[in-house]
This record gives sequence, C-alpha cells and structure tokens, in this order.
Amino acid sequence: GENVEQHPSTLSVQEGDSAVIKCTYSDSASNYFPWYKQELGKGPQLIIDIRSNVGEKKDQRIAVTLNKTAKHFSLHITETQPEDSAVYFCAGETGRRALTFGSGTRLQVQP
Amino acid sequence: EAEVAQSPRYKITEKSQAVAFWCDPISGHATLYWYRQILGQGPELLVQFQDESVVDDSQLPKDRFSAERLKGVDSTLKIQPAELGDSAMYLCASSLRGPRNSPLHFGNGTRLTVT
Repeated sequence: GENVEQHPSTLSVQEGDSAVIKCTYSDSASNYFPWYKQELGKGPQLIIDIRSNVGEKKDQRIAVTLNKTAKHFSLHITETQPEDSAVYFCAGETGRRALTFGSGTRLQVQP
Repeated sequence: EAEVAQSPRYKITEKSQAVAFWCDPISGHATLYWYRQILGQGPELLVQFQDESVVDDSQLPKDRFSAERLKGVDSTLKIQPAELGDSAMYLCASSLRGPRNSPLHFGNGTRLTVT
C-alpha cells in the first residue's frame, strides 16, 4: 500500500516569511495529493489539492508542487500570518483506496 | 455550509467496557470513512463505506471493532472491549464520491480516553 512521509515535523517562521512542507510517497500509481489543515480541537480541512497530471497549483498565498519522477510534493505558504498556525497534513491516494496521510507538520507563525 | 456531524464530542470509558461513536455525513455523500488519529500523528483509515457496503476494512481490528452503515446514510463505530491503546481521536469523513473525484469533509471527531 501507499506510504507517505512528511517533514519537518515542526516548523517555526516569522510572520511574513514563507513556509515549505515536503512529502514523499511510495506508490507510483498514486494520482491525487491533497493537503489538509487541522486546527486545535477540529477535524482536518482541505486547503489545496493537486492531481498527477499537473505540476503546480496556486490558490492565493498557498501553492503545491508535484514531482512525479521523484515522487515528492510540497506545500508552499507565502506571506505567513498568525492564523496560518496549525498542523498540516499531506496525503496520497491510489485508485479507489482511501487517503493515506503523512504524520503532520506543526507550523507556528511568530508575530 | 453542510458539515459532518459526530457525537459524542468526548468519551471517557474504562478498559473492557463497550463504546460507540456516531457519524452523520453530509447529505448525498455516498462515501463514508472512519479514521483514527493518535495524538501527534496523521489520521489512519479504519474503514471505508460506499453507500452501505464496506469497501475497505483491512486496517480495522475486527476482534474488537465493528462498523455499520445500515441505510447508507449515518454510521456507527463500536469498540468492545475497549483497551488503553484505543485512546485517540476518531474522525469521520464523507465525500460525494471517492476521494480522487471529490474532497473529503471531516467532522470534528470524538476524543476517546480509555482509563
């Protein structure tokens, strides 16, 4: 089955700086890669996703890049704000199977 | 915006007792998932339903866990007997179709503490 590894486990940045979170996956057949944000006491919420036929996708301050050859994908957050502080999870999906999640990155944006 | 409803929000139980969690997905969502999230880790799939049928329960500890979605709408996850290692957040999610074709919407979970 799919295995998704995520790093770093914690990330602290100054407000206004950029943050980058990286994930690698094992199954070359995986074709869908979402990113979720989880705030304290809440369930994960989808923030952006990318499919295997696309190399990059942007949504305002958030972007995701995918390198199928190297089997890794990354989340980029620019101009970070205190409200971006949360735990971020990457995930991968193969065929009909449910998402396999990474272990999470705790992002702290220092004001 | 429609939400996935879960109850109870918190549950404390003693080991060897039975416990049950309930989930009501977003109306019209055919696919329902139960995930377990241990503190500091990512969610791990326990069971996936397509309508009322189980699609994947390969990671469900079937000696003590059971899940059902009798009418293809709401779902119940049961643990009997509970063990100390079952302490975790139990998350329910739903999607219109499979995850590739429509995003997963998560509820806010049930936090289980086994003493």
